[in-house]
Amino acid sequence: EAQVTQNPRYLITVTGKKLTVTCSQNMNHEYMSWYRQDPGLGLRQIYYSMNVEVTDKGDVPEGYKVSRKEKRNFPLILESPSPNQTSLYFCASSRPGTQWYEQYFGPGTRLTVT
Amino acid sequence: SQKIEQNSEALNIQEGKTATLTCNYTNYSPAYLQWYRQDPGRGPVFLLLIRENEKEKRKERLKVTFDTTLKQSLFHITASQPADSATYLCALDFSGNTGKLIFGQGTTLQVKP
Repeated sequence: EAQVTQNPRYLITVTGKKLTVTCSQNMNHEYMSWYRQDPGLGLRQIYYSMNVEVTDKGDVPEGYKVSRKEKRNFPLILESPSPNQTSLYFCASSRPGTQWYEQYFGPGTRLTVT
Repeated sequence: SQKIEQNSEALNIQEGKTATLTCNYTNYSPAYLQWYRQDPGRGPVFLLLIRENEKEKRKERLKVTFDTTLKQSLFHITASQPADSATYLCALDFSGNTGKLIFGQGTTLQVKP
């Protein structure tokens, strides 16, 4: 089954404790992206990657890091989480050049930073 | 900067009626526009895409229009059903084929039986 998976689905952590949210897709997509979704603010892009070793900032990259060492994986790293990073996070993937960037989203990771 | 506006107020309609949701944008014209459906606590699911040179696109009970002069897209669900209740997001690519989408905040549709 074609899908985007994220782990963990739920995470409660404390300020300053480094964490990684994993994202993996099995569709051989070149493009992957991370979003955060907050009430009243909608979906905002954090980082995106056009291909392996190619990443770029989205609209709200502060406090986040990403890496793209393999085509299927695109982890999101919070080096020193803060309470304002409490949010619902989504990973997405698509294949540029076909279907004009229809994006497939993961199930989401709900992060709480206390 | 680019701005996308969707009606933040929930849309309540009776089953069987046509639901019409609006997506307005400012500044530059996007190459294409997408509509997604999102259920509470779940990831958005792609519904339809319409290109800048297309006026209308249909898929089953769904219809999307794209007016680049008005800078507006309308999303219609005909013969609506309670199962259509969800939040609907429009998304635009202003960057021209990089896949970098900007999403609207979404409009919540509630279809009452």
